[in-house]
Amino acid sequence: GENVEQHPSTLSVQEGDSAVIKCTYSDSASNYFPWYKQELGKGPQLIIDIRSNVGEKKDQRIAVTLNKTAKHFSLHITETQPEDSAVYFCAASITGNQFYFGTGTSLTVIP
Amino acid sequence: GAGVSQTPSNKVTEKGKYVELRCDPISGHTALYWYRQSLGQGPEFLIYFQGTGAADDSGLPNDRFFAVRPEGSVSTLKIQRTERGDSAVYLCASSRGTANTGELFFGEGSRLTVL
Repeated sequence: GENVEQHPSTLSVQEGDSAVIKCTYSDSASNYFPWYKQELGKGPQLIIDIRSNVGEKKDQRIAVTLNKTAKHFSLHITETQPEDSAVYFCAASITGNQFYFGTGTSLTVIP
Repeated sequence: GAGVSQTPSNKVTEKGKYVELRCDPISGHTALYWYRQSLGQGPEFLIYFQGTGAADDSGLPNDRFFAVRPEGSVSTLKIQRTERGDSAVYLCASSRGTANTGELFFGEGSRLTVL
C-alpha cells in the first residue's frame, strides 16, 4: 500500500514568519493530496488540496506544491499567526476513497 | 447538527469487554469512513462504506473489529474482546461519495481507553 512520510514532526516559528511542511509518498498512482489541520480535541479539517495534474495551488496565506517526479509535496504557510498553531497532516489517495495520512507536524506559532 | 456526530466522546472499558462506537454522518453523504488515531500518529484507515455496503474493509486489524451501516446513514464500529492496544481515538468521516471529490468531513472522535 501507499506509505506517506511527513517532516518535521514539530515546528516552531515566530509570528509573521513562514512555515513549510514536507511529505513524500511511495505509490506513483496516488493522484490526490489533501492537507488537514487538527486542533486539540477536534477532528481533522481540510485546509487545502491538490490533484496530480497541478503543480501548485494557493489559497490566501496557504499554498501547496507537488513534484510528481520526486513524489513529494509541501505545505507553505506565510505570515503565520498564533491561530495557525495546530497539528497538520498530509495525505495521499489513489482512488479518492482510501486516504493514507502522514504522522503529523505540530506547528507552534510564537507571538 | 450540520457536522459529523460521534458518540460516545469518551469510553473507558476493561480488557475483554465489548464496545460499540456510533457515527452519524452529514445528511446526504453516501460515503462513510472509520479511522483510528493513536497518540502522536496520523489517522489510520479502518473501513470505508459506500451506502450500506463496506466497499473496503482492508484496514480492520483483525476479526475482533466489525462495522455496520444498515440503512446507509448511521454507522456503528464494534470491537469485541477489547485489548489494551485498542486504546486510541476512533474518528469517523463522511463525504459526498463520488470518487475523487476529495474532502473528508471528520467528527471529533471517540476516545477509547481499555484498562
